[in-house]
Amino acid sequence: GQNIDQPTEMTATEGAIVQINCTYQTSGFNGLFWYQQHAGEAPTFLSYNVLDGLEEKGRFSSFLSRSKGYSYLLLKELQMKDSASYLCAVSSPTTTSSALEPERGNQAGTALIFGKGTTLSVSS
Amino acid sequence: EAGVAQSPRYKIIEKRQSVAFWCNPISGHATLYWYQQILGQGPKLLIQFQNNGVVDDSQLPKDRFSAERLKGVDSTLKIQPAKLEDSAVYLCASSSVGGQNEKLFFGSGTQLSVL
Repeated sequence: GQNIDQPTEMTATEGAIVQINCTYQTSGFNGLFWYQQHAGEAPTFLSYNVLDGLEEKGRFSSFLSRSKGYSYLLLKELQMKDSASYLCAVSSPTTTSSALEPERGNQAGTALIFGKGTTLSVSS
Repeated sequence: EAGVAQSPRYKIIEKRQSVAFWCNPISGHATLYWYQQILGQGPKLLIQFQNNGVVDDSQLPKDRFSAERLKGVDSTLKIQPAKLEDSAVYLCASSSVGGQNEKLFFGSGTQLSVL
């Protein structure tokens, strides 16, 4: 089965550091993504990890441990605009149920499986 | 570069009515996805296209939902007849070739309310 767990809500203050954890159990694993989604808007890409370790990108960092099925997103120097939902998503092979034969060179049959998201509220 | 376009932005219908959503992916993107996002939850994959063929539709409720991407570009998702539990945001996303390390680009979604 596919299971991705993350906390439902978190709160923090401006300037602080917050860590959002994500654990996953999926039938396949091709990498882990973090997306940010402001209320009423589309999810936007934050980070991607496929190897163990820490990926740093400005105020945001993401960590992956494949053996533990665990990732976290670290947000530093929090700002009010960071108030949003943070979605953990695993790239996993999809179940092919139609007749399409993957074209040579394409890696069809991979999609993102999302967790329920963590709503972060940043206060002044 | 233009993003993923979706319309309408909002739709309110009564149960048992039908509704259709439209998506235009980023130019040149071969892979297109439809996701359903119920309030307070993460997006759930409904169907994935590679060009004009279906790669995965295992979670699409085929008794009422249908989708097509006839020319490998635009796509439509239809619900007929709608139920109350179909109230959600329907997100369209696209990626270049659908590779395992490719990020998805999402449209703003269509918010559907079924009364």
